Amino acid sequence: EDKVVQSPLSLVVHEGDTVTLNCSYEVTNFRSLLWYKQEKKAPTFLFMLTSSGIEKKSGRLSSILDKKELFSILNITATQTGDSAIYLCKPSGTYKYIFGTGTRLKVLA
Amino acid sequence: NAGVTQTPKFQVLKTGQSMTLQCAQDMNHEYMSWYRQDPGMGLRLIHYSVGAGITDQGEVPNGYNVSRSTTEDFPLRLLSAAPSQTSVYFCASSSGQGRTGELFFGEGSRLTVL
Repeated sequence: EDKVVQSPLSLVVHEGDTVTLNCSYEVTNFRSLLWYKQEKKAPTFLFMLTSSGIEKKSGRLSSILDKKELFSILNITATQTGDSAIYLCKPSGTYKYIFGTGTRLKVLA
Repeated sequence: NAGVTQTPKFQVLKTGQSMTLQCAQDMNHEYMSWYRQDPGMGLRLIHYSVGAGITDQGEVPNGYNVSRSTTEDFPLRLLSAAPSQTSVYFCASSSGQGRTGELFFGEGSRLTVL
């Protein structure tokens, strides 16, 4: 059965801090891993990673995928209050899309 | 661009009542799915469909039915509502067979069962 584990479950930091969010997975026929950001409503897409390595979204967000060790990391540098959200990862393999439990990030001014 | 449209946005039911949450997408996506999100939790997959006439169970299918008679529509039926089904429900779709691509979400439907 597919599994996705995110850590930490929640995180409180101050503006300007750097955070690292973790996602480990066990998925049949792995094809890609996606990161989403959820504020008050529906999740919005951040990254899709298909190969091991680094994918940058913007100057402050970056993500790493390690297909050998089955994990991904989302890094946010110089955090801002607007980064406060739930961050969700979703590995894709079969059609049964399972999300991780999410990491709830709160950035204090 | 309508994208994924869910109705209703809010609904209050009494225990034992039935209802249907509607989901429609205008992007010609083959893949559609329903998730529920409880307070402070991630998204849990209820049912999904890879095309018209094809549906399958997700992580938490009990108490819910779905059908997919057209590519555009994927309604979710609650047969006999229970307080444990109080949640926010999201419909999502994806292009092609959806195995690698981005999910597009509706705005969500907040359901309260008394």
